[in-house]
Amino acid sequence: DTEVTQTPKHLVMGMTNKKSLKCEQHMGHRAMYWYKQKAKKPPELMFVYSYEKLSINESVPSRFSPECPNSSLLNLHLHALQPEDSALYLCASSPSLEAGALFGQFFGPGTRLTVL
Amino acid sequence: SQELEQSPQSLIVQEGKNLTINCTSSKTLYGLYWYKQKYGEGLIFLMMLQKGGEEKSHEKITAKLDEKKQQSSLHITASQPSHAGIYLCGADLRGSTLGRLYFGRGTQLTVWP
Repeated sequence: DTEVTQTPKHLVMGMTNKKSLKCEQHMGHRAMYWYKQKAKKPPELMFVYSYEKLSINESVPSRFSPECPNSSLLNLHLHALQPEDSALYLCASSPSLEAGALFGQFFGPGTRLTVL
Repeated sequence: SQELEQSPQSLIVQEGKNLTINCTSSKTLYGLYWYKQKYGEGLIFLMMLQKGGEEKSHEKITAKLDEKKQQSSLHITASQPSHAGIYLCGADLRGSTLGRLYFGRGTQLTVWP
């Protein structure tokens, strides 16, 4: 299995809802990433996990809560989001942080999130 | 500031024409990556360049890295409608946090038959 999967593909939620995005990879990668991408903009890094530990938090608001329960799975828990949080959320993985520099990061198809 | 400058911002070419997209870094590159993205979808990894002068090809797409200029170019030969999409360069930059990938703003490519 050489791909990163993300579910759901689309998500519509209200500002009072709690929802979660899921990302999974079975390539044995030990670094996983969450990105946010607005229309016609490049991806913006949100969080990086290395060996299931949070390595980078790019000053993301607390209404976004990441979780890495095991080496294959990465979640992004959403609570009390704002309409401006509507975006494409991308997950990526690399063999490790160091190997990410050597081999690049591999992206999932993304979750299109709309906050009403 | 934008660490990676990508040009042009958009490109419209007729099928069969050649084209080039450029990506210039303001800092020393450790690695330079090219991705392709269809609107609203994930990034597809195309190729990675690490060494100055390195050149890689996949089908009709060739990427080169000029280390002195801290610049990479992506060249498509005999473009086809299937080449249409957004091309993004990404880079691991010297002095940046490990794991942090910087992206250019992307080049929107349209290929008309």
